Amino acid sequence: DIVMTQTPLSLSVTPGQPASISCKSSQSLLHSDGKTYLYWYLQKPGQPPQLLIYEVSNRFSGVPDRFSGSGSGTDFTLKISRVEAEDVGVYYCMQSIQPMYTFGQGTKLEIK
Amino acid sequence: EVQLVESGGGLVKPGGSLRLSCAASGFTFSSYSMNWVRQAPGKGLEWVSSISSSSSYIYYADSVKGRFTISRDNAKNSLYLQMNSLRAEDTAVYYCARDIARGFGVDYWGQGTLVTVSS
Repeated sequence: DIVMTQTPLSLSVTPGQPASISCKSSQSLLHSDGKTYLYWYLQKPGQPPQLLIYEVSNRFSGVPDRFSGSGSGTDFTLKISRVEAEDVGVYYCMQSIQPMYTFGQGTKLEIK
Repeated sequence: EVQLVESGGGLVKPGGSLRLSCAASGFTFSSYSMNWVRQAPGKGLEWVSSISSSSSYIYYADSVKGRFTISRDNAKNSLYLQMNSLRAEDTAVYYCARDIARGFGVDYWGQGTLVTVSS
């Protein structure tokens, strides 16, 4: 199975400041179809996860443009340009290049 | 609007069985692969199983292989998870989740149903 490793595991950010989360995979997520299957989700307290970014850098419908994703191969980053109070929760990366999807451990974002 | 509504969770004794259901609406269910993903209390997300649109391809996590069975009924827009030989470590919220079109990965999630395995 592909192991996904996120850092940091927790983050405390002042509103209006940027935030960054790293996700590393144990194998390349570049598929033979040319796509890289790395996803980012946010799970707000008491809610199911919601999709933020698909295939490394594509914002899902309705996701604010302060969220951006980048990376390639095995190293990926989620950036929030200006954190807002509604961004609190746990962020997960997920690989879907293999049929058995695997998630990172999660990064908990709190507001200072 | 895509909607996924899980049901069937509850309290069951170790060794018991439970069948989860997921009712889908707002999209052409028969065109999408579907997944079950679970989350133990206070823990992270764990993918459990997936099934392709026509049920041709089915996959399981090693932790549930041989005990859980995923299935779907495209005529009823429904996804199922039959869970047998349940263990305490299967206690979790179980989410029904849709695969994204033209690729691999989850885009929409249901609200989840809680399964508690305890004597």
